[in-house]
Amino acid sequence: QVQLQESGPGLVKPSETLSLTCTVSGGSMSSFYWSWIRQSPGTGLEWMGYIYYSGTTNYNPSLKSRVTMSVDTSKNQFSLKLSSVTAADTAVYYCARVYSSSSTVFDYWGQGTLVTVSS
Amino acid sequence: AIRMTQSPSSFSASTGDRVTITCRASQGISSYLAWYQQKPGKAPKLLIYAASTLQSGVPSRFTGSGSGTDFTLTVSCLQSEDFATYYCQQYYSYPWTFGQGTKVEIK
Repeated sequence: QVQLQESGPGLVKPSETLSLTCTVSGGSMSSFYWSWIRQSPGTGLEWMGYIYYSGTTNYNPSLKSRVTMSVDTSKNQFSLKLSSVTAADTAVYYCARVYSSSSTVFDYWGQGTLVTVSS
Repeated sequence: AIRMTQSPSSFSASTGDRVTITCRASQGISSYLAWYQQKPGKAPKLLIYAASTLQSGVPSRFTGSGSGTDFTLTVSCLQSEDFATYYCQQYYSYPWTFGQGTKVEIK
């Protein structure tokens, strides 16, 4: 059974960079796309982007200038960095696995981690 | 970006009811639509993809239909564990987008 677990600071100051890591267990990262999705009361569920196990990325244009994703298959981890954060970036952040290249839906999710942007 | 609009935003129902949730895309998305169920404090759970394909392990009382711009999720006989918020998601084009959610509450 694949499991995902987000980790990182729960509080980030405005203008700083939010950094989260997702650790994958119970399965290989190979041949899968891995995504970050966030959820806030104001904007609902928002797909932030994905990273392929090989390192190829695709970001949501609404965040493209601020988001960076990376992967370390040797550690079974992938990461998210979101720069220049504001209060609008306060949300629950989920990491998730993309089911397949033909059905790009999310079949496994982490439990989510709340990140608050505040000074 | 493709806008996904769900209706209603919320409603009340009773155990045993047949309920239907609608999702409309702002442009045609063929059958590239998924449905998720989310309970408070939990991550969304994949129910259906490709508009009508049931994810492994999901009860058969959940059915999805539609193509193009109009889609429905039906729960044939609502169980207590089905009271939750449901989201649709399109994966026809980037950026992948979600509907705003439909909350199913106990009457």
